[in-house]
Amino acid sequence: ETGVTQTPRHLVMGMTNKKSLKCEQHLGHNAMYWYKQSAKKPLELMFVYNFKEQTENNSVPSRFSPECPNSSHLFLHLHTLQPEDSALYLCASSQDLRLTASYEQYFGPGTRLTVT
Amino acid sequence: RKEVEQDPGPFNVPEGATVAFNCTYSNSASQSFFWYRQDCRKEPKLLMSVYSSGNEDGRFTAQLNRASQYISLLIRDSKLSDSATYLCVVNADYGGATNKLIFGTGTLLAVQP
Repeated sequence: ETGVTQTPRHLVMGMTNKKSLKCEQHLGHNAMYWYKQSAKKPLELMFVYNFKEQTENNSVPSRFSPECPNSSHLFLHLHTLQPEDSALYLCASSQDLRLTASYEQYFGPGTRLTVT
Repeated sequence: RKEVEQDPGPFNVPEGATVAFNCTYSNSASQSFFWYRQDCRKEPKLLMSVYSSGNEDGRFTAQLNRASQYISLLIRDSKLSDSATYLCVVNADYGGATNKLIFGTGTLLAVQP
């Protein structure tokens, strides 16, 4: 596979469930990101990892727990979510954190999460 | 004030029309600027970076006005396949370890046959 992949593509979970989202990038990048995209709202950056180390936690509630075992894999562990957490969760990667015109950020297809 | 502001649209235009989107940003320290395209129920993809001198890629022209803190995207000879949401994105170095990408809510373009 190439690019950034995410599984599952769709997830429905109850508020008491525990689930995990998985992201894998095949681009040799060192930085990986989790974003949340809700309807009518801009993409919100949640977490940033660079060389497996977390460099950004954008005031995300503790019911979202990221894990980055290596530069190619990123997980988002979910537990006791709320209905307002329903959204599209996008993973992205980039060569590093510079994010200039020469260093594009590539997105995965996203996981559409519905919390019932 | 939102960090990146865009008119959400929708912009409904006929095929062949020229359409322009504007975007304003609040952080004068912003250094890099982009337009991303997001198709319905798909992920965002980089359309083009925006350079200070302005730049063109085929039917697409991007302009940056640092003094007024706005970015524009012009699409000439619109195609049906141009229908998508166009996201204005700004990279602002807040002095931390990360250059963050700040996304606008996007402008929806619908090109009609």
